[in-house]
Amino acid sequence: DADVTQTPRNRITKTGKRIMLECSQTKGHDRMYWYRQDPGLGLRLIYYSFDVKDINKGEISDGYSVSRQAQAKFSLSLESAIPNQTALYFCATSVRGRETQYFGPGTRLLVL
Amino acid sequence: DQQVKQNSPSLSVQEGRISILNCDYTNSMFDYFLWYKKYPAEGPTFLISISSIKDKNEDGRFTVFLNKSAKHLSLHIVPSQPGDSAVYFCAASALTRGSTLGRLYFGRGTQLTVWP
Repeated sequence: DADVTQTPRNRITKTGKRIMLECSQTKGHDRMYWYRQDPGLGLRLIYYSFDVKDINKGEISDGYSVSRQAQAKFSLSLESAIPNQTALYFCATSVRGRETQYFGPGTRLLVL
Repeated sequence: DQQVKQNSPSLSVQEGRISILNCDYTNSMFDYFLWYKKYPAEGPTFLISISSIKDKNEDGRFTVFLNKSAKHLSLHIVPSQPGDSAVYFCAASALTRGSTLGRLYFGRGTQLTVWP
């Protein structure tokens, strides 16, 4: 079983729709992250959470919101999707004091 | 403003030869560096890391070199194998100080292709 899972793996939606991407982990890590990857732009941080009550904006948080429902769950929402948000989205986890992050398999999102 | 830069978007190497992937950084507070490898349709996977108190770290065919004065690090793969073909991301963080604590900053990646 995968340690970091993301659902859905693929999603097609229309402009203006609200969608949620979910991330769950069984690693027992306290820190969770959401990134997006665009061709030629690498991985950019959207939001990160050091524990359930500690949520922080990353470098590209506009248009996104997150919810840390439990230590093991971190959801990313697009309140009103736009085509510019078409990308590959990754969730990651880490342990406090250790820099290595462990990534989920990704969600490919297409906004029409 | 990118704090971690990988200036070569692609690299092509023959099987058995050495692959050298380069990475530069601008933030002097960075003191821990990582390399990740990513195959298509998969998430990035951790490959190797180095702390700023070292200038070299080796793990099998993979060696990372750090030149703090030049703010430069490189990943050497010897010998290269076709299965090494992937996108390689360089990442950096500050372990001990500054607003970067707990975050990783990624470069844009280098696509390595190892041909037979």
